[in-house]
Amino acid sequence: DAKTTQPPSMDCAEGRAANLPCNHSTISGNEYVYWYRQIHSQGPQYIIHGLKNNETNEMASLIITEDRKSSTLILPHATLRDTAVYYCIVRPSNQAGTALIFGKGTTLSVSS
Amino acid sequence: SAVISQKPSRDICQRGTSLTIQCQVDSQVTMMFWYRQQPGQSLTLIATANQGSEATYESGFVIDKFPISRPNLTFSTLTVSNMSPEDSSIYLCSVDEQLTGELFFGEGSRLTVL
Repeated sequence: DAKTTQPPSMDCAEGRAANLPCNHSTISGNEYVYWYRQIHSQGPQYIIHGLKNNETNEMASLIITEDRKSSTLILPHATLRDTAVYYCIVRPSNQAGTALIFGKGTTLSVSS
Repeated sequence: SAVISQKPSRDICQRGTSLTIQCQVDSQVTMMFWYRQQPGQSLTLIATANQGSEATYESGFVIDKFPISRPNLTFSTLTVSNMSPEDSSIYLCSVDEQLTGELFFGEGSRLTVL
């Protein structure tokens, strides 16, 4: 079973920040938080990952709480093309060889 | 980042037949993963394929139904055997990026079984 809990759906206005929450209260000390998204009819796309520090890249920011029991993915200026299913995944390691176990994810709908 | 090509991209198959899906990667990778995504559902891991050894299957998936080959470090196949309409799904191949541990996915093979 997936080790994360996400809201099934969220809405966001185009141009506004989209804040997607994820609960992972049973996360272990060596487990990473990964975020992927799946745009309709495409394969999942990597967004970002982190262990305990906040992370930022060209796509998004990842905010992890100090106790690491929850995190938030932030898309700073959502566009219509960000409409997708977003998956928060806890992974035992950031090393090669470990599969991702997907939960149900959050369907983000961005509207104009 | 790894580039993954899957064939076929989609197919319509008859009940009782088998279909082999190919996954080609543009770089050598140790592990390859096969997933299934049933209509309206999330991704489910079928098996992990390591070059030179038997694939490791997840609970609920068996080798007789989903035989996997991994002949080299850039290629793998998944066969869906004796298909029924319940096998109608998208099947996705995934690989690790060695340095960062990111997983990359192919665009998937959409199978419809009549």
